Amino acid sequence: DIVMTQSPDSLAVSLGERATINCKSSQSVLYSFNNKNYLAWYQQKPGQPPKLLIYWASTRESGVPDRFSGGGSGTDFTLTISSLQAEDVAVYFCQQYYGTPRTFGQGTKVEIK
Amino acid sequence: QVQLVQSGAEVKKPGASVTVFCKASGYTFSNYGIHWVRQAPGQRLQWMGWINSGNGKTKYSQNFQGRVTITRDTSASTVYMELSSLRSEDTAMYYCARGPSEYSSGYFDYWGQGTLVTVSS
Repeated sequence: DIVMTQSPDSLAVSLGERATINCKSSQSVLYSFNNKNYLAWYQQKPGQPPKLLIYWASTRESGVPDRFSGGGSGTDFTLTISSLQAEDVAVYFCQQYYGTPRTFGQGTKVEIK
Repeated sequence: QVQLVQSGAEVKKPGASVTVFCKASGYTFSNYGIHWVRQAPGQRLQWMGWINSGNGKTKYSQNFQGRVTITRDTSASTVYMELSSLRSEDTAMYYCARGPSEYSSGYFDYWGQGTLVTVSS
């Protein structure tokens, strides 16, 4: 199985400041055939299912605010919230869909400082 | 609008089986696959398997050792997930989630609301 490791486990950021979450995969999730990274990011608020934010490592899902951006390639990825808002308090997960089984990171909890 | 509505909470005894359903609406059912993902307390999200809603082809995680079976009823736009030989570690929230196409690859763009399964003697 491809192991996904996120850092940090939790993050406290002031309103309006930048939050950056890292995700590292145990093997590359870049498919050379199409040069795409098979990596997604999700946001989960308490009592709700996860919500898709980013796919193909950097493509924002429709309706997701542009303060959310994804980057990276191969084995190292980042999710950045450029200006943290109160409604962004949540747990964020990365997920690879390169291999089977699909696997997720352990989650990063983002809070307001 | 796309909606995935799951069945209600279940309480089961160890050794029993549970079936959770996921009813889809708002899109052409057979054009998209459905995945099942669970979230146990304190654990990371865990992918269980997938079904091609059109032709019924399935793919399962070997981590469940043959205990999971996913089926679909196209006339009802509904997918079913059965987990057998339940143990206390199977206590979790179970989610269905739609893939971006009929194929097994891909991220999960819509999720059901979740079904809590509790395994307790």
